[in-house]
Amino acid sequence: NAGVTQTPKFQVLKTGQSMTLQCAQDMNHEYMSWYRQDPGMGLRLIHYSVGAGITDQGEVPNGYNVSRSTTEDFPLRLLSAAPSQTSVYFCASTRGTQEYFGPGTRLTVT
Amino acid sequence: ELKVEQNPLFLSMQEGKNYTIYCNYSTTSDRLYWYRQDPGKSLESLFVLLSNGAVKQEGRLMASLDTKARLSTLHITAAVHDLSATYFCAVDMDGGTSYGKLTFGQGTILTVHP
Repeated sequence: NAGVTQTPKFQVLKTGQSMTLQCAQDMNHEYMSWYRQDPGMGLRLIHYSVGAGITDQGEVPNGYNVSRSTTEDFPLRLLSAAPSQTSVYFCASTRGTQEYFGPGTRLTVT
Repeated sequence: ELKVEQNPLFLSMQEGKNYTIYCNYSTTSDRLYWYRQDPGKSLESLFVLLSNGAVKQEGRLMASLDTKARLSTLHITAAVHDLSATYFCAVDMDGGTSYGKLTFGQGTILTVHP
């Protein structure tokens, strides 16, 4: 099993550009989540999904969209990047009480 | 709104000493997580505590949960340099009834000196 994979590892965007952060898991987990981590803070939930076709907002959803067309994939879309979205993004999948985190994507918006 | 607070936020320890990191949370929950994060890396799961009075130990780390006090502790025994990292606690947003929705504390940056 590859576990939870994220691409790209690093990305630099200009303000106003759009992009998609990819997240995939090969463990057949129903629950998947996106978090962001800013310096001096813990992770904050952006969006989550309880299964294919079902998504909902977390604590900080503004400026982000998600969809879940398959169990394996949970992409995060930035519609119009802003400097405030400079952060490290972690995707996670959940089996029971165990969370599995991806390696992260470091995003800089200039 | 669930709030999770850790203290201290910074901890500088000498090797061989003991110390405790505290994690307080504001609403009822029966599930609490502890994670370790090394610089530039992802989160590594340390413990999942699932009930009042739960205690788990792995090596020099021991975690406990008091759901009545809404408090978890991570105790470090005889610290060694390899324990230097950032430690996070996290609580299920829905009080232990959902999955994949965690609220994290701010993190405790632990540095162990010779």
